[in-house]
Amino acid sequence: DQQVKQNSPSLSVQEGRISILNCDYTNSMFDYFLWYKKYPAEGPTFLISISSIKDKNEDGRFTVFLNKSAKHLSLHIVPSQPGDSAVYFCAASEEGSARQLTFGSGTQLTVLP
Amino acid sequence: EAGVTQFPSHSVIEKGQTVTLRCDPISGHDNLYWYRRVMGKEIKFLLHFVKESKQDESGMPNNRFLAERTGGTYSTLKVQPAELEDSGVYFCASSQQQGTEQYFGPGTRLTVT
Repeated sequence: DQQVKQNSPSLSVQEGRISILNCDYTNSMFDYFLWYKKYPAEGPTFLISISSIKDKNEDGRFTVFLNKSAKHLSLHIVPSQPGDSAVYFCAASEEGSARQLTFGSGTQLTVLP
Repeated sequence: EAGVTQFPSHSVIEKGQTVTLRCDPISGHDNLYWYRRVMGKEIKFLLHFVKESKQDESGMPNNRFLAERTGGTYSTLKVQPAELEDSGVYFCASSQQQGTEQYFGPGTRLTVT
């Protein structure tokens, strides 16, 4: 049973526009959420995170929004750049565990020049 | 500051053989995690070390997998004997504290034939 779901396997966006990647989770014990970016043949690269006590966190072009009641988070990238083309993974962890990450299946983002 | 490094980058072995993967975490990171991605599916947790102690090995698939972290520095993950279903990419990650972002290595691609 997947506790973290990314229902869109792929997304294409024009350069300069906004990219919105979505993630849903089922485990109400998750209290820390992260987004990672992954290029082929490389490991996931940490992008941005958010704690469950917040509903928004911003870092440059990247903003993560958390809606706890809907068990939904999203990553906004604006403006999108061709170098942003990669697989984006949503991940979550819960307090009291080893803080291991539970990952979604990823969304392939393609930013078209 | 050097990132997480993993060796080898790729290993091809026959069923029944033994393979040992190595991970060097970021210096000063007490927390070390092993994850695995099989057949392009989700990245899944295997186990967690704090310094030299195993804190959680609930994700280890079976007793053919043995992880160690002697001295609390680098870690090894041994698969003995390897089976076809062990093929995948094995990632190592480290973090300074639990509940903070984890930094991933480039992964070891294991192919069992």
